[in-house]
Amino acid sequence: AQSVSQHNHHVILSEAASLELGCNYSYGGTVNLFWYVQYPGQHLQLLLKYFSGDPLVKGIKGFEAEFIKSKFSFNLRKPSVQWSDTAEYFCAVNLYNQGGKLIFGQGTELSVKP
Amino acid sequence: EAGVTQSPTHLIKTRGQQVTLRCSPISGHTSVYWYQQALGLGLQFLLWYDEGEERNRGNFPPRFSGRQFPNYSSELNVNALELEDSALYLCASSLEWGPGTTEAFFGQGTRLTVV
Repeated sequence: AQSVSQHNHHVILSEAASLELGCNYSYGGTVNLFWYVQYPGQHLQLLLKYFSGDPLVKGIKGFEAEFIKSKFSFNLRKPSVQWSDTAEYFCAVNLYNQGGKLIFGQGTELSVKP
Repeated sequence: EAGVTQSPTHLIKTRGQQVTLRCSPISGHTSVYWYQQALGLGLQFLLWYDEGEERNRGNFPPRFSGRQFPNYSSELNVNALELEDSALYLCASSLEWGPGTTEAFFGQGTRLTVV
């Protein structure tokens, strides 16, 4: 069965530290990849997405992610985090020909200390 | 423009009861997706409706069902509630999925507590 793994369940960083959240998926076919963020008390919001083309994609709020097909990975990065980045981050995979159905990872809770 | 709206926001039910959750998609969106976010289990795909038809179903028992109405709004029904059904139920909507329309927008969710 298809699955998405996020390596870190809880990450604690100080402001200005660099962030990298790991995401791996298990599916050999064509995939679309997403990172969503859920700020405390708010709904899920799209950070960025990859469909084709340049494997390095840039999203909102200074986030970026790199798709490495050979490693089945789509890691999220930000060079300098802020306290306002405290949230839960979800990686998701969308499989070809399954509409907008998303398979989510377990989520990574990020806590940024001021 | 209004986003995805879900009702009610919170609900408490007794084990064995039935519950109906409602979702209104963004205007113009024809697809609706339901997810369950249970504590410690992440977001699990439940159902996908498009143009009134059920297109895909996640690994949930038949007591989870739903429908999509002609105005594209949707209901999720859960029969014979069990304690482990306690979760946040999220609805998302999208345009017809294609190269230029590839984002699902999520509602705030309905928090269901089964006691």
